[in-house]
Amino acid sequence: DAMVIQNPRYQVTQFGKPVTLSCSQTLNHNVMYWYQQKSSQAPKLLFHYYDKDFNNEADTPDNFQSRRPNTSFCFLDIRSPGLGDAAMYLCATSTGTGMNTQYFGPGTRLTVL
Amino acid sequence: AQSVTQPDIHITVSEGASLELRCNYSYGATPYLFWYVQSPGQGLQLLLKYFSGDTLVQGIKGFEAEFKRSQSSFNLRKPSVHWSDAAEYFCALQGDTGFQKLVFGTGTRLLVSP
Repeated sequence: DAMVIQNPRYQVTQFGKPVTLSCSQTLNHNVMYWYQQKSSQAPKLLFHYYDKDFNNEADTPDNFQSRRPNTSFCFLDIRSPGLGDAAMYLCATSTGTGMNTQYFGPGTRLTVL
Repeated sequence: AQSVTQPDIHITVSEGASLELRCNYSYGATPYLFWYVQSPGQGLQLLLKYFSGDTLVQGIKGFEAEFKRSQSSFNLRKPSVHWSDAAEYFCALQGDTGFQKLVFGTGTRLLVSP
C-alpha cells in the first residue's frame, strides 16, 4: 500500500547529541512536511519541501534542519537537541496542487535525556 | 486571517451514544476543511474532507461532517460511538487559492465510557 513511513518510531538521544529522523513516501507526492507535536497540542509546522524548494516557518529554531535528497525521502536533523525538543515528530506529504490533502506518517517519538 | 476553533477540549460519551464534535472556522472564502483523528502515540489519520459540493460529507469509520457556511462550522458526527473511537480529533482548514498550509484547531479529546 502507498504510504508515509517514519523511522525510527521511537528515538532516544542525549542532550546536545545530534539526531536525524527519517521519512519516506511511496505516494510520489511533491510536498513533504515536518511537524512537531507536543503533548496535548496540535501539530506545529516546522518546514516543508515543495519538490526541492525548502520553505522554513518563521518561528522554526535554527537547531532544526531538513534534507530532501530525492522525491521519496526527507530527513529532519536536530543539531543540538534540548529538553524542550522532546516531542512527537510527524511527517506528512501532499500533491501540492488542487485539493491538497496531507497524509501523515505514524510519527517518531523523540526523548531527550 | 485563517483560524479554526474547537470549543471542547474534552468530551465524554457513553459507548453506543451519538457524538458531535464542534468545529468553527474563520476564513474569507470557502475553505477546504478536514477532520483528522489521532490515537495515542500515532500519527494523524484523515477521517474526511470537504472541498465543495454536497455539504454533508461521509468519511471512514462511520463518521460524517456537515459544512454550514452560515454558521462557519464543520461539525463531526457519528450515530453510535465505539470504545475504539477514543482518540484526539483535529479539525483543520486550508485556503482554496494556490498552495496553502493547514491550520489546525487545538483538538478535542474523546473519552468513551462503558
